[in-house]
Amino acid sequence: GAGVSQSPSNKVTEKGKDVELRCDPISGHTALYWYRQSLGQGLEFLIYFQGNSAPDKSGLPSDRFSAERTGGSVSTLTIQRTQQEDSAVYLCASSWTSGRSYNEQFFGPGTRLTVL
Amino acid sequence: GESVGLHLPTLSVQEGDNSIINCAYSNSASDYFIWYKQESGKGPQFIIDIRSNMDKRQGQRVTVLLNKTVKHLSLQIAATQPGDSAVYFCAENGEGGGNKLTFGTGTQLKVEL
Repeated sequence: GAGVSQSPSNKVTEKGKDVELRCDPISGHTALYWYRQSLGQGLEFLIYFQGNSAPDKSGLPSDRFSAERTGGSVSTLTIQRTQQEDSAVYLCASSWTSGRSYNEQFFGPGTRLTVL
Repeated sequence: GESVGLHLPTLSVQEGDNSIINCAYSNSASDYFIWYKQESGKGPQFIIDIRSNMDKRQGQRVTVLLNKTVKHLSLQIAATQPGDSAVYFCAENGEGGGNKLTFGTGTQLKVEL
């Protein structure tokens, strides 16, 4: 079966430009997560979506970052006016549900963003 | 704030030996702890998890130990193989439970032939 997919796999952009990163979760998974991984570091939580509930945006580092999830499936992470410190691997994960119970998260391969 | 951290950034072991990767956590409200394996260029892959009401859980060649008294988590890999070479992360689901994970910085495991 298909896992979590992300596109593009690599993105090089110039400082100040906007970028959009896409995530296709596993079919049927109601929860979707975005993380950021800087070089040699662990994963930093950004945002998660659970069904039709309002997303938890507590990890977004600035108002230049936003994310949408359309139709409870595909999600897009948008970074406006990119800065060099935004360079990182952006990982998406999905799970059956979230809430109070823990459910295994399945990760995509990530999008490597390089801001010149 | 609350954090999860690892004691050793790099661990080198001989093929066939056992590996032990350690992790310290600080959020006593976490009810799940998870180990992930990340190979170069790939996303993290689930290895094993343990609930806070347990102190040991075994999988295939892997064992996770949880010591809540000292807030310590470890991953033991038996008969380490070259394919085990990767970065290993511990994660906890923090205050409020659920799936919002906090990750440690990772340990690079290198298996020498």
